Amino acid sequence: AQSVTQLDSHVSVSEGTPVLLRCNYSSSYSPSLFWYVQHPNKGLQLLLKYTSAATLVKGINGFEAEFKKSETSFHLTKPSAHMSDAAEYFCVVSVAGTYKYIFGTGTRLKVLA
Amino acid sequence: DTEVTQTPKHLVMGMTNKKSLKCEQHMGHRAMYWYKQKAKKPPELMFVYSYEKLSINESVPSRFSPECPNSSLLNLHLHALQPEDSALYLCASSRQTMNTEAFFGQGTRLTVV
Repeated sequence: AQSVTQLDSHVSVSEGTPVLLRCNYSSSYSPSLFWYVQHPNKGLQLLLKYTSAATLVKGINGFEAEFKKSETSFHLTKPSAHMSDAAEYFCVVSVAGTYKYIFGTGTRLKVLA
Repeated sequence: DTEVTQTPKHLVMGMTNKKSLKCEQHMGHRAMYWYKQKAKKPPELMFVYSYEKLSINESVPSRFSPECPNSSLLNLHLHALQPEDSALYLCASSRQTMNTEAFFGQGTRLTVV
């Protein structure tokens, strides 16, 4: 069975400081992993995806994530937070051989001025 | 064009009303999805259509009736809803190849009174 665990429900950072949102996964197969961002009352926007190519994945808006098989992690990082990054972030794994996606419980990122 | 368009953005309906949510994409995707999202929760899968045929129904009550008239359109017909059905309803689409990323619409905020 596949699953994802987002280790922090809330993260607060100051504007201009680094962002780290943590995600661990469980999968019997080589997983397809995604990070999505959701601003209030909006849909989900894809930030980046890992599909067994390069382990360091670059996404939009300066975000990147590193797939670490040994640690079963796929943490999302950004060198410098911007006020507009304040949102809910979801780590997602696709269920092999299906059209299903498993969502983490989400991490609410707060950016302080 | 990586856009999934949902209409309406907001909908208020009584428990005896019949209404429909609409979703449209022009990315040539052959998999389309309906998700329900309650406040501060991740999206929950309701239905998946693959090549215009219902592929997954996550035991959704019959008061929700999906329809896929063609490869670009997805509807969700609503009838005799309950107040607890109030939520953000998200449409998504993806390529027919499994384990690829899904693209989400902005959602319809549904309130049942």
